[in-house]
Amino acid sequence: QVHLVQSGAEVKKPGASVKVSCKVSGYTFTTYAIHWVRQAPGQRLEWMGWINAGNGNTKYSQKLQGRVTITRDTSASTGYMELSSLTSEDTAVYYCAREDGLYWGQGTLLSVSS
Amino acid sequence: QSALTQPASVSGSPGQSITISCTGTTSDVGGYNFVSWYQQHPGKAPKLMIYDVDNRPSEVSNRFSGSKSANTASLTISGLQAEDEADYYCSSYTSTSTYVFGTGTKVTVL
Repeated sequence: QVHLVQSGAEVKKPGASVKVSCKVSGYTFTTYAIHWVRQAPGQRLEWMGWINAGNGNTKYSQKLQGRVTITRDTSASTGYMELSSLTSEDTAVYYCAREDGLYWGQGTLLSVSS
Repeated sequence: QSALTQPASVSGSPGQSITISCTGTTSDVGGYNFVSWYQQHPGKAPKLMIYDVDNRPSEVSNRFSGSKSANTASLTISGLQAEDEADYYCSSYTSTSTYVFGTGTKVTVL
């Protein structure tokens, strides 16, 4: 059975960075890319970027380019999303999803407040 | 990359059919057959309903169908049921090797 399990909720101050993890099980990690998607309270889904879990190649949304870094550790079957220079606008639930969209993590709530 | 355009809300009575549109450009919806549709209930992760324009995952009811014409994709829900009340988002691959979501549509079952 496929599972994507994300790290727990985070509270950060403006200007800080956050790193969210997404541990995969139930399939060969390197077979599928991992997407990262976020959703601010009451707002639409926003695509952030993705990583080819096999070769590590990445692509980011133009809006977040320069602030977001997506990595992976194949030995741990885990993907990571790091977001820097946080502001209140980054308060959202962050999801990881398998490339085909069939499997999603449970979401990680990030709150940014002074 | 601007969000794809969806109607803010669509409603229908039980048993009726409704259609949600998703309008993009030739750089996304119109240029690729990589349009997906997601259903999202409050507080839950999105659920894939349609992929590659008109393909349905095995566990999704055949009451859900997808199509595309030029720069506009559509999701049709037939035989509307109370459990279909949710937010729906389209998504498309783009010419810059990125993805973009739609603005989202709230479906209400009257």
